Amino acid sequence: GAGVSQSPRYKVAKRGQDVALRCDPISGHVSLFWYQQALGQGPEFLTYFQNEAQLDKSGLPSDRFFAERPEGSVSTLKIQRTQQEDSAVYLCASSAHTEAFFGQGTRLTVV
Amino acid sequence: DQQVKQNSPSLSVQEGRISILNCDYTNSMFDYFLWYKKYPAEGPTFLISISSIKDKNEDGRFTVFLNKSAKHLSLHIVPSQPGDSAVYFCAAFANAGGTSYGKLTFGQGTILTVHP
Repeated sequence: GAGVSQSPRYKVAKRGQDVALRCDPISGHVSLFWYQQALGQGPEFLTYFQNEAQLDKSGLPSDRFFAERPEGSVSTLKIQRTQQEDSAVYLCASSAHTEAFFGQGTRLTVV
Repeated sequence: DQQVKQNSPSLSVQEGRISILNCDYTNSMFDYFLWYKKYPAEGPTFLISISSIKDKNEDGRFTVFLNKSAKHLSLHIVPSQPGDSAVYFCAAFANAGGTSYGKLTFGQGTILTVHP
């Protein structure tokens, strides 16, 4: 596709529910990132993939967060047993080298 | 510890005038800097970047200046237009001569409003 595509755009989850957020990166981009953006803040790094390999997951806030990119293209960020503090916009980005291109994000609201 | 700081939460400018957005960083390993623009309900859009081997990069109405000794960069928009109204994020990473994968550290953002 022309850009990074994320789905769903909006997700409301009840506390304790599991959610899965999808990212379709720009075709051919080796690098894929997930960021979390709280209200009024800048995006914060969660995890990084180079093709299918998850090379950095230092930003994942807890073991309830899990990301995968099994075939080196589409990626899924899964959050288990969601809590209110997980409410944020989750951004996916892909890059070929230095400039990362972002998707529209998924706004997750945990009620 | 906020490694990238944008100390002005908002900036208001008249159309046609210059907008100057500022950004400071503390991590001396950062050697590649980017500005992103974000409209509501959209993801950040890449605007302009600069490597630490330069002190200025220009692209149309947008110019980024880097002062390495002061660990400060700024984005100048001349002339400002109402369509420039958005949130602007400064971001940085340690490129390490091209070997890094580009993990970005962002500032908190500055809301720019350009009045007609």
